[in-house]
Amino acid sequence: GAGVSQSPRYKVAKRGQDVALRCDPISGHVSLFWYQQALGQGPEFLTYFQNEAQLDKSGLPSDRFFAERPEGSVSTLKIQRTQQEDSAVYLCASSLWTGTGVSEQYFGPGTRLTVT
Amino acid sequence: GESVGLHLPTLSVQEGDNSIINCAYSNSASDYFIWYKQESGKGPQFIIDIRSNMDKRQGQRVTVLLNKTVKHLSLQIAATQPGDSAVYFCAEKGDDKIIFGKGTRLHILP
Repeated sequence: GAGVSQSPRYKVAKRGQDVALRCDPISGHVSLFWYQQALGQGPEFLTYFQNEAQLDKSGLPSDRFFAERPEGSVSTLKIQRTQQEDSAVYLCASSLWTGTGVSEQYFGPGTRLTVT
Repeated sequence: GESVGLHLPTLSVQEGDNSIINCAYSNSASDYFIWYKQESGKGPQFIIDIRSNMDKRQGQRVTVLLNKTVKHLSLQIAATQPGDSAVYFCAEKGDDKIIFGKGTRLHILP
């Protein structure tokens, strides 16, 4: 079956440009997560949605980062006025549900963003 | 700061030997841990998990050990194969997010 897909896979942006990264979660998955992975590091949490509600955005590094999931399915991570320190792989993950139990998160392949 | 981290950045193992990847965590209240495998150009892939009420869990060719006394967990891979070459992360499940350590790169020697 189809897993989590992300597009584009690679994005090169000039400093100051805005970018939009897309995530298509597994169909029916309620929860969606965005992570940022710098080179040689582990992924770091950015934000989390349950359906269309953004329940946690504590990991977003600045107000230049904005995420949405308007219909509770596809999500977009937008970065405004990109800076070189934004260069990283942006990973999206989805899970069937969350809450008091545990539901495995399935990761997409990521979008590698390079800011020049 | 991070609550999970790994002891070694790189581990080289002879093909066919067993691999042991170690991880320390700092939050004694942590109750759920996960090991992920990440191959080049791919997202992390779930390998095995363990709850804090267990000290050992086995999967196919993999075993996770949890020592709550010293806040340490390890991933053992039996009969390491070339396809095991990847970066391995231990991770802790928070309220909703997953908290990853830095990772250990596993090299398989022919």
